Amino acid sequence: AQSVSQHNHHVILSEAASLELGCNYSYGGTVNLFWYVQYPGQHLQLLLKYFSGDPLVKGIKGFEAEFIKSKFSFNLRKPSVQWSDTAEYFCAVNEKNRDDKIIFGKGTRLHILP
Amino acid sequence: EPEVTQTPSHQVTQMGQEVILRCVPISNHLYFYWYRQILGQKVEFLVSFYNNEISEKSEIFDDQFSVERPDGSNFTLKIRSTKLEDSAMYFCASSRDLGLADNEQFFGPGTRLTVL
Repeated sequence: AQSVSQHNHHVILSEAASLELGCNYSYGGTVNLFWYVQYPGQHLQLLLKYFSGDPLVKGIKGFEAEFIKSKFSFNLRKPSVQWSDTAEYFCAVNEKNRDDKIIFGKGTRLHILP
Repeated sequence: EPEVTQTPSHQVTQMGQEVILRCVPISNHLYFYWYRQILGQKVEFLVSFYNNEISEKSEIFDDQFSVERPDGSNFTLKIRSTKLEDSAMYFCASSRDLGLADNEQFFGPGTRLTVL
C-alpha cells in the first residue's frame, strides 16, 4: 500500500538552528514528491516539489529537499530556521504522469523558539 | 495569481443535517479533488472528479458523500446526514488537464466543519 512516513511528530528548535525533517515513502510506481506547509490558522501551501531532474530541489523561504531514490527518502532541510518557520510540515507523494490523489504523511509540527 | 476558493470558511451543523461545502477551482483546471483533515491528523484523500464523474474515491467516501459540478464553475461536496466524526477541515484542490505530465494540485483555504 502507498504510504508516507515522517520520522518526527514534533520538533523544537531555537532560531538559527539547522533543520532536517525526515520523510520516507512506500510506493510501487514512479513518483512526484512534495512538501507542504501549514502555518497556524492558515491553509496548505506548497513549499517545494520534485518531479524530475536534479534531486536537490530548492523551494520557497530557503527550504530545500533531496530525493534519494535508493532510500525512498525526500528529507526537508533549512540551514538556519526563523521564528516564522513555526508551522506544520507535510511530506506527500503521488504517482507520476497521472492526475492522481496525493498521499500525505502525518505531519511534523515545528516549533521555533525566539 | 489564480487560486482555489472555498465557502464557507466555517460551518457548524447539527448531527444528522445535510451540509454542502462549496469550492471554485481555478478556471482552466479540469481535475478536482476533496481532501479532509481531522484535527491533529494527516490530510486524507476523499475523491477525485473529472469530466463530470468520479475518477477515484477512498473508503472514507461512502454513500453519505456526493460531489457535483453544478454549473461549470463550482465544485461541491455534500454530506447527506452528518455524523460527529465528520468534523474536520475539508480542502478542495484542482489541477490542469491529463495531457500535461506532473500536474500540481492547488489547494483552497479549507472549510472547517463542526458537527454538534
